[in-house]
Amino acid sequence: DAGVTQSPTHLIKTRGQQVTLRCSPKSGHDTVSWYQQALGQGPQFIFQYYEEEERQRGNFPDRFSGHQFPNYSSELNVNALLLGDSALYLCASSLGGADYEQYFGPGTRLTVT
Amino acid sequence: DAKTTQPTSMDCAEGRAANLPCNHSTISGNEYVYWYRQIHSQGPQYIIHGLKNNETNEMASLIITEDRKSSTLILPHATLRDTAVYYCIVSYTGFQKLVFGTGTRLLVSP
Repeated sequence: DAGVTQSPTHLIKTRGQQVTLRCSPKSGHDTVSWYQQALGQGPQFIFQYYEEEERQRGNFPDRFSGHQFPNYSSELNVNALLLGDSALYLCASSLGGADYEQYFGPGTRLTVT
Repeated sequence: DAKTTQPTSMDCAEGRAANLPCNHSTISGNEYVYWYRQIHSQGPQYIIHGLKNNETNEMASLIITEDRKSSTLILPHATLRDTAVYYCIVSYTGFQKLVFGTGTRLLVSP
């Protein structure tokens, strides 16, 4: 049973560019949440997707957007990249309203130069 | 979301019990206490959760005070592989939006 997978593992982008990160949830899970983790900090909640809709959102600008597909996989898009967007981006999956725990993927390390 | 307070760092000798405290004085009646840990360069890993009763699983025990304003995560026999950052989080169940603090950095030494 595959756990949460994320791609790519590492990514280097230039300021002003756009980036798309991908996440496949654990088998049987229908909810995907995205978190940003800056160096030395705890993860910060970006948003959560359920039934292909953004269900809740953290305090992140509109440059951060996402999508969930019918197979429950998800994408995180970041436009107009800033140096401050450099971070580890974590995807977590869970079973919607019944979850007691979230399963995290290994993350995508984004570096903006 | 209720805020939690944890010590910045703790040390533990291998084979001894590690007791990690957490204060959550503003916890509401329906909020659970969750513990996750993050080993270097990996995603966070769920450890245990509880509402008001003490809980135990194969990884750890969770002791919650009667007034629910604080809790302690206990790793009964710490190993070097338990070196990680441990996060105490207070959250409702279902469609969780986990609010991570800076956690406790536990160093287990030989």
